[in-house]
Amino acid sequence: DAGVTQSPTHLIKTRGQQVTLRCSPKSGHDTVSWYQQALGQGPQFIFQYYEEEERQRGNFPDRFSGHQFPNYSSELNVNALLLGDSALYLCASRSRQANTEAFFGQGTRLTVV
Amino acid sequence: AQSVTQLGSHVSVSEGALVLLRCNYSSSVPPYLFWYVQYPNQGLQLLLKYTSAATLVKGINGFEAEFKKSETSFHLTKPSAHMSDAAEYFCAVIKNNNNDMRFGAGTRLTVKP
Repeated sequence: DAGVTQSPTHLIKTRGQQVTLRCSPKSGHDTVSWYQQALGQGPQFIFQYYEEEERQRGNFPDRFSGHQFPNYSSELNVNALLLGDSALYLCASRSRQANTEAFFGQGTRLTVV
Repeated sequence: AQSVTQLGSHVSVSEGALVLLRCNYSSSVPPYLFWYVQYPNQGLQLLLKYTSAATLVKGINGFEAEFKKSETSFHLTKPSAHMSDAAEYFCAVIKNNNNDMRFGAGTRLTVKP
């Protein structure tokens, strides 16, 4: 079991551009959540996907959007990038029914210049 | 809304000394509580979790935490620090199985030889 995998591991984008980050959940998991972790801070919840729908959303603007596919993998899209979007983006997956524990990927380090 | 507060952004101990990392939660209902560890440029690894089964929870790498409802606390301890324990530690809370995690700001643990 590969666990939660995220791609790419590192990314550099220019202000105003758009970016797509990808996440494959751990085998058997159906729920995917995304978090933004700025340098020196705790992860901040962006949103959660289950059954291909956004179920919960944190305090993030509409520039942040996502998608979940039938195979439970997920994408995070950020439009009109700002310098302040530079952060480690973490994906976490879990089984909605089985337990309350989330497994995290290694993250994608996004740098906006 | 549920939240957690971690007291002390930095904690420094000597190798072999007691580790105590503090976490207080705010929740109107009994929560699920977690401690995660993060090594540099990596994702989050679960140390332990409290799900109301037992107030004293034992985790990996010799860590444990005690849920104290009267103090709304879930402090993380380890009797004897090891150099490999140096990392960032995050306390997190969810209200039930379908709500996503809210993290504290983190505590950076330094272990001196």
